[in-house]
Amino acid sequence: QKEVEQDPGPLSVPEGAIVSLNCTYSNSAFQYFMWYRQYSRKGPELLMYTYSSGNKEDGRFTAQVDKSSKYISLFIRDSQPSDSATYLCAMSSLGGNQFYFGTGTSLTVIP
Amino acid sequence: DGGITQSPKYLFRKEGQNVTLSCEQNLNHDAMYWYRQDPGQGLRLIYYSQIVNDFQKGDIAEGYSVSREKKESFPLTVTSAQKNPTAFYLCASSIVIMGSRNYNEQFFGPGTRLTVL
Repeated sequence: QKEVEQDPGPLSVPEGAIVSLNCTYSNSAFQYFMWYRQYSRKGPELLMYTYSSGNKEDGRFTAQVDKSSKYISLFIRDSQPSDSATYLCAMSSLGGNQFYFGTGTSLTVIP
Repeated sequence: DGGITQSPKYLFRKEGQNVTLSCEQNLNHDAMYWYRQDPGQGLRLIYYSQIVNDFQKGDIAEGYSVSREKKESFPLTVTSAQKNPTAFYLCASSIVIMGSRNYNEQFFGPGTRLTVL
């Protein structure tokens, strides 16, 4: 079983839709949760960073962590064509020196 | 501007040749990482280093070598022993703050695309 599971998609939505991206994980020691956006042929860009459980909001983006279910989500409100990219989840443990990544979900927002 | 730079952006290697990918950061981060990204496989860890003059193998270290002589620099050499080196290589760094909470945000460089001819 992989440490982190992420549906690769592809996901296609109309402009203005609410997008929900998800990851599940198996290691209960994970405490740090990240979402990255990666455009084609570019390095991943850190979007959201959350420590432990709860929600975090930044503009149109909301990150949720449910440690009891080992499930994290990224919501994008009022999606825009510029949101079209691959979204990667990542996580690490307290004092951990490695990061564990999902395989990424490809998102296309259609104008 | 603070950030991570990688060079070159594109690199072509002949069979049997060693090549070195550069990674430099001016974020004063302690830890640096090298990942390989292949289509549909996500990021795989090659090597990482948490302190100068020390580094550890990741999941796919065979055929690669690194050095960490300076805090700012973590070059990756792809040797001729690496059977299938064509991939997108990403360097990353993170700060390591020991204490009641570690802050583990990891930032990436723009990547180097390596192609074997």
